[in-house]
Amino acid sequence: DAGVIQSPRHEVTEMGQEVTLRCKPISGHNSLFWYRQTMMRGLELLIYFNNNVPIDDSGMPEDRFSAKMPNASFSTLKIQPSEPRDSAVYFCASRFGLETATYGYTFGSGTRLTVV
Amino acid sequence: GEDVEQSLFLSVREGDSSVINCTYTDSSSTYLYWYKQEPGAGLQLLTYIFSNMDMKQDQRLTVLLNKKDKHLSLRIADTQTGDSAIYFCAEIGGTASKLTFGTGTRLQVTL
Repeated sequence: DAGVIQSPRHEVTEMGQEVTLRCKPISGHNSLFWYRQTMMRGLELLIYFNNNVPIDDSGMPEDRFSAKMPNASFSTLKIQPSEPRDSAVYFCASRFGLETATYGYTFGSGTRLTVV
Repeated sequence: GEDVEQSLFLSVREGDSSVINCTYTDSSSTYLYWYKQEPGAGLQLLTYIFSNMDMKQDQRLTVLLNKKDKHLSLRIADTQTGDSAIYFCAEIGGTASKLTFGTGTRLQVTL
């Protein structure tokens, strides 16, 4: 398996532009998580899905952030409009049900977003 | 809510042992994990321990769990320069479906 695949690896955009981050979870995993990592706040859980349904989006900072999971193999995190304070590394992770509590999550390599 | 705390920085000499500590507040934690993050990379699962265990050893890694004090530690024997990274502890508890991560400890290995 290729693991959790995120794209793009790096994104530089101007303030006010729309940004879309993409994630392909491991095949067969039914839970997907979006995290944001910054120096100031560390790792923050933004939202997670179970069987393509959003379960907890309490970590989404503002209405400018939205996430979708149209099918089991794809998810997007969108920021519209983007602001410089959104600059961070965004990670996607996936997990198969409760059995893999013993294995935690599998993380993607992240998307480094810079908003100028 | 759940809280997981770690010291921010640890420096050790190559060949010495490293001990990274973590405290957590969730008394219903069932699994506790250690993740490693190298520069520019995602988080890689190193090891985990179930809450009814006191210790787990995996090659150079030893995890100790003191459930009474809610204290978790990761010992790396014979620390190498390749061990330089940020180490996160994380816990999942009860019926929760999500991991709670600590703040991360940056391990610097010097020659």
